[in-house]
Amino acid sequence: DQQVKQNSPSLSVQEGRISILNCDYTNSMFDYFLWYKKYPAEGPTFLISISSIKDKNEDGRFTVFLNKSAKHLSLHIVPSQPGDSAVYFCAASAGLNTGNQFYFGTGTSLTVIP
Amino acid sequence: GAGVSQTPSNKVTEKGKYVELRCDPISGHTALYWYRQSLGQGPEFLIYFQGTGAADDSGLPNDRFFAVRPEGSVSTLKIQRTERGDSAVYLCASSVSGRARGEQFFGPGTRLTVL
Repeated sequence: DQQVKQNSPSLSVQEGRISILNCDYTNSMFDYFLWYKKYPAEGPTFLISISSIKDKNEDGRFTVFLNKSAKHLSLHIVPSQPGDSAVYFCAASAGLNTGNQFYFGTGTSLTVIP
Repeated sequence: GAGVSQTPSNKVTEKGKYVELRCDPISGHTALYWYRQSLGQGPEFLIYFQGTGAADDSGLPNDRFFAVRPEGSVSTLKIQRTERGDSAVYLCASSVSGRARGEQFFGPGTRLTVL
């Protein structure tokens, strides 16, 4: 039962344009969300997070939006750069009494075309 | 290097054999997690340690899987009687505490192949 879903396995964007990666979740207990970036043969690297008390968090070129009523979050990258090409995973956790384990989506492979 | 390290990076074994995978977390991190990533999937939670104890092992698929963290630092994931379906990348992550919000820092993973 996949509680975090990324329905787009891949995305191609021209350099300089905006990349929008989407994520949906089903568990209403999730209250902390993160995006991780992964290069081949490396572990996932933290990118940005958002708590459920917020609807937006921004860090440089990266912005995460959270729509709790729709159980949807998105990651915006602007402007996109070739070095952003990687697999992006959305993750969620459901409270500290669960030990903060993360539930991951299946990932979206982003290709930024120079 | 202050990151999470995992050894070996690759492990090839035969069906039915026993394997051990090691994780060295970031110094001072009390929380340690094991995840498994199969091809085309995201990481899937296996077990979480807070200090020396396994606080949540609900993700372990069956009793062939076991993990320890005897001194609250290094952890070993042990798989008995390996099966071809165990083939995956096993990821270890650590965080400052499992009792506070924060990112988990991942190691590069161990790619396990069961022939």
